[in-house]
Amino acid sequence: DIQMTQSPSSLSASVGDRVTITCRASQSISTYLNWYQQKPGKAPNLLIYAASSLQSGVPSRFSGSGSGTDFTLTISSLQPEDFATYYCQQTYSTPWTFGQGTKVEIK
Amino acid sequence: EVQLVESGGDLIQPGGSLRLSCAASGFTVSGNYMSWVRQAPGEGLQWVSVSYSDGSTSYADSVKGRFTISRDSSKNTLYLQMNSLRAEDTAVYFCARVATGSYWAFDIWGQGTMVTVSS
Repeated sequence: DIQMTQSPSSLSASVGDRVTITCRASQSISTYLNWYQQKPGKAPNLLIYAASSLQSGVPSRFSGSGSGTDFTLTISSLQPEDFATYYCQQTYSTPWTFGQGTKVEIK
Repeated sequence: EVQLVESGGDLIQPGGSLRLSCAASGFTVSGNYMSWVRQAPGEGLQWVSVSYSDGSTSYADSVKGRFTISRDSSKNTLYLQMNSLRAEDTAVYFCARVATGSYWAFDIWGQGTMVTVSS
């Protein structure tokens, strides 16, 4: 199975900050990497697919990059509605595994 | 409107069985890959199973042989039959559409249904 490791597990940031979350795969997954945002009590919401493609309707302050084993999700200017937990997911091969999540909290 | 609505979650004793349903609207279940994902209380997301549009399926090792994913085109509904339930199966279960044109990202999610396995 492909293991996905996110860092950090949590972070505190202020509105307007630039935030970067990293995700590392245990083997190469090309660009079969997706990012989701989840708020408490809600279903996850797709932000980025194929490592760097912005899902329709998602604000442009979200961006993704990377290929192979190392990936990043960047929020260019953190907004109040962005405080949530973020997950990466590989869909290169089943089982389609998720990272453990990164909780973004208010500083 | 494109949406998924899960149902069927319940409190069930260990060893019991339960069937979850996921009703789709705005698109056809039969024409898409469909998946189940679960989330134990306070934990992260865990992929459970996928039903491909050709009828083939795949499962996480933790549920293989106990869970069965299926679909009913006439009802436009996805199912997850869960047998031999264990305490560690306690979770919110989400169904999701897999967007095959988007590197198999999960682009539509249901609201989730809670399964509690406890005596």
